[in-house]
Amino acid sequence: GESVGLHLPTLSVQEGDNSIINCAYSNSASDYFIWYKQESGKGPQFIIDIRSNMDKRQGQRVTVLLNKTVKHLSLQIAATQPGDSAVYFCAENGAAGNKLTFGGGTRVLVKP
Amino acid sequence: GAVVSQHPSRVICKSGTSVKIECRSLDFQATTMFWYRQFPKQSLMLMATSNEGSKATYEQGVEKDKFLINHASLTLSTLTVTSAHPEDSSFYICSARGWGGEGAFFGQGTRLTVV
Repeated sequence: GESVGLHLPTLSVQEGDNSIINCAYSNSASDYFIWYKQESGKGPQFIIDIRSNMDKRQGQRVTVLLNKTVKHLSLQIAATQPGDSAVYFCAENGAAGNKLTFGGGTRVLVKP
Repeated sequence: GAVVSQHPSRVICKSGTSVKIECRSLDFQATTMFWYRQFPKQSLMLMATSNEGSKATYEQGVEKDKFLINHASLTLSTLTVTSAHPEDSSFYICSARGWGGEGAFFGQGTRLTVV
């Protein structure tokens, strides 16, 4: 069935370095993708989104890359800060209406 | 981004009682609202999708009589956990999407503990 999965469950990164979080999806009909950040005990926070007619989109310190050929999505965080420590989820909007399917999540730990 | 407010943030109830959780979109009209459940260190599991003025669509395995969803207006959806049991203890999160369908913004979540 449809699924969105992540390659790495935990990512440790030195403060100031760049972080890359990867996500694989299986539904080739998905046309919209979102990255979320979730801190402990809180709801997911929208970070950045991208439509399938794009392969790159940039925000403030974040960049999302979409490779439809291999069905891969990544989130790059520049100059990672302690406040970036959280769990990051990718989500896809597939063919089944406008509901989102979430990946398993990657925990990012920023070391001072 | 858009603001979605969820209330309460934390609730403790006794077994057998019912609990209502509210989800409001504060600065946009939410044509669709979603309810998720999240267990510790796990991803979000979609429970149901609700569109304003119509019955909610429940995911497979989710008991619609136990998790009552009402989406009476374009800014408010409620989830009622009926006859709660300890196994219903979880983190419940709502999200909302507007007319354009862009983005899906989440509430702060509700930590439900059934004792």
